[in-house]
Amino acid sequence: DTGVSQNPRHKITKRGQNVTFRCDPISEHNRLYWYRQTLGQGPEFLTYFQNEAQLEKSRLLSDRFSAERPKGSFSTLEIQRTEQGDSAMYLCASSKNQGEGTEAFFGQGTRLTVV
Amino acid sequence: AQSVTQLDSQVPVFEEAPVELRCNYSSSVSVYLFWYVQYPNQGLQLLLKYLSGSTLVKGINGFEAEFNKSQTSFHLRKPSVHISDTAEYFCAVSDGNTGGFKTIFGAGTRLFVKA
Repeated sequence: DTGVSQNPRHKITKRGQNVTFRCDPISEHNRLYWYRQTLGQGPEFLTYFQNEAQLEKSRLLSDRFSAERPKGSFSTLEIQRTEQGDSAMYLCASSKNQGEGTEAFFGQGTRLTVV
Repeated sequence: AQSVTQLDSQVPVFEEAPVELRCNYSSSVSVYLFWYVQYPNQGLQLLLKYLSGSTLVKGINGFEAEFNKSQTSFHLRKPSVHISDTAEYFCAVSDGNTGGFKTIFGAGTRLFVKA
């Protein structure tokens, strides 16, 4: 297993365009998380899946953001009508059932630049 | 609500000197505590975690941290740093009572090791 994989690593897009990112978690990890990290800040929680069910969304996740995990394996995060304020690193993480404080394993992130 | 405060945004230190990165948390329930490291343009890697038991936790790369419940702190220490330890360090907390499906991160401390 090569860990959590995110694609693409970098994305530059014009304001107003839609973008989609993909995350492949560690196999057999049933929990998947999306975080956003802006320069000089720690990661901020966006949303979380257990298997295919999206169980929580942060208030940071506006209506322009949508995340899916259709078969409980890989996940996509789509941003519609991108704005310059969406520029950030988008991190995906996965974990096993977190009954005992199991840590999340992070991917290398997708850096989005909106111009 | 949980929160994490990392008291120093930057810590410069000379190679082979000891270092302490400070972290305080607030939570109304029992918590799990983590330290992650992030190298430039990389995802986060777990250094160590506290779930229960001994308050002194040893992690990778010679780091250790001490959980202090009365002071709500979880400071990270290393007795002798190397140039390769230069990175961003994040303290994080998750909710122990509900299984902690999401992790709240501090803003990070940039450790800069000088030759």
